[in-house]
Amino acid sequence: SQQGEEDPQALSIQEGENATMNCSYKTSINNLQWYRQNSGRGLVHLILIRSNEREKHSGRLRVTLDTSKKSSSLLITASRAADTASYFCATSGGGADGLTFGKGTHLIIQP
Amino acid sequence: DTEVTQTPKHLVMGMTNKKSLKCEQHMGHRAMYWYKQKAKKPPELMFVYSYEKLSINESVPSRFSPECPNSSLLNLHLHALQPEDSALYLCASSQGGSYTEAFFGQGTRLTVV
Repeated sequence: SQQGEEDPQALSIQEGENATMNCSYKTSINNLQWYRQNSGRGLVHLILIRSNEREKHSGRLRVTLDTSKKSSSLLITASRAADTASYFCATSGGGADGLTFGKGTHLIIQP
Repeated sequence: DTEVTQTPKHLVMGMTNKKSLKCEQHMGHRAMYWYKQKAKKPPELMFVYSYEKLSINESVPSRFSPECPNSSLLNLHLHALQPEDSALYLCASSQGGSYTEAFFGQGTRLTVV
């Protein structure tokens, strides 16, 4: 079952601008992950944040986690056309539990 | 090698056919997963195998039958499917530890006619 909502469902920005996507979830988590999916094919892992972490960076990505609000955000800075994709947050209870995905944000970067 | 390989990439099958989807990884991962993704929707977990044993079945209809012949291979056997089963089927693997990422294959796009 899906954890919750992602906001916005679609986002269109100019190349070079920053893109922010939000994710909410419902249950307690061990970690939260963000994935990218191009054109309905395989998903690529972007970043993982543990439940006891509040912020994490990886290259142009910045993820925050607020467990009290059960929400996370993904910031992509200095966007590029190649960032055009669907972005999903996914929660895990840890171990081999599998992932529960949010509804996703479709990001379009206009050149 | 950080690849998860799925075959076939596309599959069209009739409602009376039997077919199988295959997934292979050589990363030594102990957990393997099947997900189903409908158009414009997020992936939904179907099955989890941990150490080659089925550990999670998300109430999937019996017309989907998973199999894990060894630690590197995962199959999904399909029989008597319905048109609403048409979707992208994704295989993934992970170390299965507390803080590990999943590696996904490119998926099999299944159309049931």
